Amino acid sequence: NAGVMQNPRHLVRRRGQEARLRCSPVKGHSHVYWYRQLPEEGLKFMVYLQKENIIDESGMPKERFSAEFPKEGPSILRIQQVVRGDSAAYFCASSPPAADTQYFGPGTRLTVL
Amino acid sequence: AQSVAQPEDQVNVAEGNPLTVKCTYSVSGNPYLFWYVQYPNRGLQFLLKYITGDNLVKGSYGFEAEFNKSQTSFHLKKPSALVSDSALYFCAVRDGNDMRFGAGTRLTVKP
Repeated sequence: NAGVMQNPRHLVRRRGQEARLRCSPVKGHSHVYWYRQLPEEGLKFMVYLQKENIIDESGMPKERFSAEFPKEGPSILRIQQVVRGDSAAYFCASSPPAADTQYFGPGTRLTVL
Repeated sequence: AQSVAQPEDQVNVAEGNPLTVKCTYSVSGNPYLFWYVQYPNRGLQFLLKYITGDNLVKGSYGFEAEFNKSQTSFHLKKPSALVSDSALYFCAVRDGNDMRFGAGTRLTVKP
């Protein structure tokens, strides 16, 4: 059984570029969550998605950040016009419907130069 | 809103000794509490959870946690630490669609 897959594992971008982070949930899981982990801090919830729907985006910055989970393919977290403060580890988690336990991917470490 | 706190940034124990990683919570209603572990350059791994039932919850890798309602605590424990237990440990509480995490406690087990 493959767990949650995230790619790339490491992403380097210059200020002003776009960053696209991909998350493939565990097979059969229809719920995806994105978290951000800033250096020396705990995880912060960003967004919760089900297939083709954003359920809760209360943790997403109002500008430059967007997320999708299409009917086919991975979930994408997109950051436009990146700034140095976006440098962080971004974790994706998935769960089956009506389940409490989330299974996390290995994370994508974004570095903005 | 629900929240958890991990009062210790760092815990050091000797191999073979018991370990405790502390977590306190603040919730309205019944808490859904979790422990996750993060090894270097890896994603978080689920260790155990408390939803309801026995206050002592057993999880992966020999870890257990005790839910204490009167002290609003959910401390992670292991009777005999291993060097390979060295990692970052996160306590978390489910709050609707959100999972709120503590800041993490770095556990170092020395041989």
